[in-house]
Amino acid sequence: DAGVTQSPTHLIKTRGQQVTLRCSPKSGHDTVSWYQQALGQGPQFIFQYYEEEERQRGNFPDRFSGHQFPNYSSELNVNALLLGDSALYLCASSFPGGASGNTIYFGEGSWLTVV
Amino acid sequence: AQSVTQPDIHITVSEGASLELRCNYSYGATPYLFWYVQSPGQGLQLLLKYFSGDTLVQGIKGFEAEFKRSQSSFNLRKPSVHWSDAAEYFCAVGGRGSQGNLIFGKGTKLSVKP
Repeated sequence: DAGVTQSPTHLIKTRGQQVTLRCSPKSGHDTVSWYQQALGQGPQFIFQYYEEEERQRGNFPDRFSGHQFPNYSSELNVNALLLGDSALYLCASSFPGGASGNTIYFGEGSWLTVV
Repeated sequence: AQSVTQPDIHITVSEGASLELRCNYSYGATPYLFWYVQSPGQGLQLLLKYFSGDTLVQGIKGFEAEFKRSQSSFNLRKPSVHWSDAAEYFCAVGGRGSQGNLIFGKGTKLSVKP
């Protein structure tokens, strides 16, 4: 049973560029959340997708957007990259209707460096 | 405001010694509590979770945590630390309706002396 998978694992972008990160949830999971983890900090919630719609959003600007596909996979897009966007981006999946309820599983993350 | 506080930024223990990592939370509804571990350059691995019931929960790798509602705490413990436990530990809180929207502490880095 594959867990949460993310791609790419590492990437370097220039200020002002745009980036797309991808996530496939754990098998059977229908809810995907994205987190940003800056160096030395805990993860911060960006947003969550369920049934192809953004259901919750954290305190992040509109430059951060996302999408969920019918197969539950998801993308995180960041426009007009800033140096401060350099971080580990974590995808998490869950199946709220399941026996494990709110158990949330994380992927290995995508390291984004903005130069 | 909803928050998680991990008072200890860095803890060093000797291999074989016991460990307790502290976590205090502030949450407006019934909390769901989690401990995750992160090795350098890796994602987060779930150690254990508390939703309801017995306030002492057992997790993987010999870890346990105790939920104390009166103290708003969810401290992580291990009776005997192994060198492979060296990592960063994160406490997180969510709610029944949050469904993946977790609030994390800033983490505690654990170093293990031989």
